[in-house]
Amino acid sequence: ELKVEQNPLFLSMQEGKNYTIYCNYSTTSDRLYWYRQDPGKSLESLFVLLSNGAVKQEGRLMASLDTKARLSTLHITAAVHDLSATYFCAVDMWAGNQFYFGTGTSLTVIP
Amino acid sequence: NAGVTQTPKFRVLKTGQSMTLLCAQDMNHEYMYWYRQDPGMGLRLIHYSVGEGTTAKGEVPDGYNVSRLKKQNFLLGLESAAPSQTSVYFCASSIGRNTEAFFGQGTRLTVV
Repeated sequence: ELKVEQNPLFLSMQEGKNYTIYCNYSTTSDRLYWYRQDPGKSLESLFVLLSNGAVKQEGRLMASLDTKARLSTLHITAAVHDLSATYFCAVDMWAGNQFYFGTGTSLTVIP
Repeated sequence: NAGVTQTPKFRVLKTGQSMTLLCAQDMNHEYMYWYRQDPGMGLRLIHYSVGEGTTAKGEVPDGYNVSRLKKQNFLLGLESAAPSQTSVYFCASSIGRNTEAFFGQGTRLTVV
């Protein structure tokens, strides 16, 4: 069974600061997804990373994937309050048809 | 553009009661999924379907059944609800393998 770990679980940061969220997974996979969830809301797709070395950026968020290290990072640059949310990474197995989610990182950006 | 729609959005059940959650997608996606979300545990896959008429078990299938009679609909049934099934349930769909999933708004279920 594939295990997906995120850290930190909770992150409180000041506006304007940079930080990185880490997503580690236990089994070979070259497909990783990042989602955002606002309180009481559904999950919104942020990034789809489909190969080793993939890097994608959208606004103040940048995601990368290192399949050899089984690690993805979500980097936040110059955080703003609107980025406050819970961020999930999800991995699917080569031969499987299902996504395995991390436990999520709850991000609070303080003015 | 509706995307993925779940019905109902909220429900309270008594222990032992049954109910069906409906998920409908209008994107002609082949794959559909049911997840439950519990505090501190992320999302866990209950059942999924890779096409009309097919279903498969996920990580936590016990106590649930599903059906995919039509491509656009994926039903999740609870035959005899238990307090441990109190959770937020999300339906999702994707075009196929290795593609991102699109999620519904969730159903908050409380079993008392």
